Amino acid sequence: DADVTQTPRNRITKTGKRIMLECSQTKGHDRMYWYRQDPGLGLRLIYYSFDVKDINKGEISDGYSVSRQAQAKFSLSLESAIPNQTALYFCATSDPSGGENIQYFGAGTRLSVL
Amino acid sequence: AQSVSQHNHHVILSEAASLELGCNYSYGGTVNLFWYVQYPGQHLQLLLKYFSGDPLVKGIKGFEAEFIKSKFSFNLRKPSVQWSDTAEYFCAVKGNTDKLIFGTGTRLQVFP
Repeated sequence: DADVTQTPRNRITKTGKRIMLECSQTKGHDRMYWYRQDPGLGLRLIYYSFDVKDINKGEISDGYSVSRQAQAKFSLSLESAIPNQTALYFCATSDPSGGENIQYFGAGTRLSVL
Repeated sequence: AQSVSQHNHHVILSEAASLELGCNYSYGGTVNLFWYVQYPGQHLQLLLKYFSGDPLVKGIKGFEAEFIKSKFSFNLRKPSVQWSDTAEYFCAVKGNTDKLIFGTGTRLQVFP
């Protein structure tokens, strides 16, 4: 969905480097999420934020941190990247008003840690 | 804890064959159910959803899914697949935590 933009789309880095993945949205949604996708494991939730002042750990938050700079921006950081963080990362947004709270995904960032 | 199982990891079909992908979840309360599709190199897109009402829901591109509460299932079906349906399909469930729990995905390959 073009309303959820992730940058960069691809990144190769070395072990120990600090990496930041950016997500911005024009949907006006309060809720934002970061997932990682690994073959055979589906999508797993790293962090989520229900508004600018509310940030929560997901099921696999170790080794990651996030920053919700504004309603429209939610960044994921790897303070010291390691090879098993090589994965496809997705940002998503949702809006619970109206009852359905469907999540809309960005195009993903493919990260390789060497 | 909520969980989602997709037992078909890789499905290979010829065009015009019928498709059924299994999805079972574990959660005792009220659930919202989703199927997302990820075409090669693309992001996840919502295929269809169930919140309440008619347990047979229809989505885009001729897909449908049936919620069977007694079986904790939400299987995805399509009567006649096309080559363009080649993609990975994810079932997801949302209970009272408001977080989506995804299955591990089913990779569908359709050959002409």
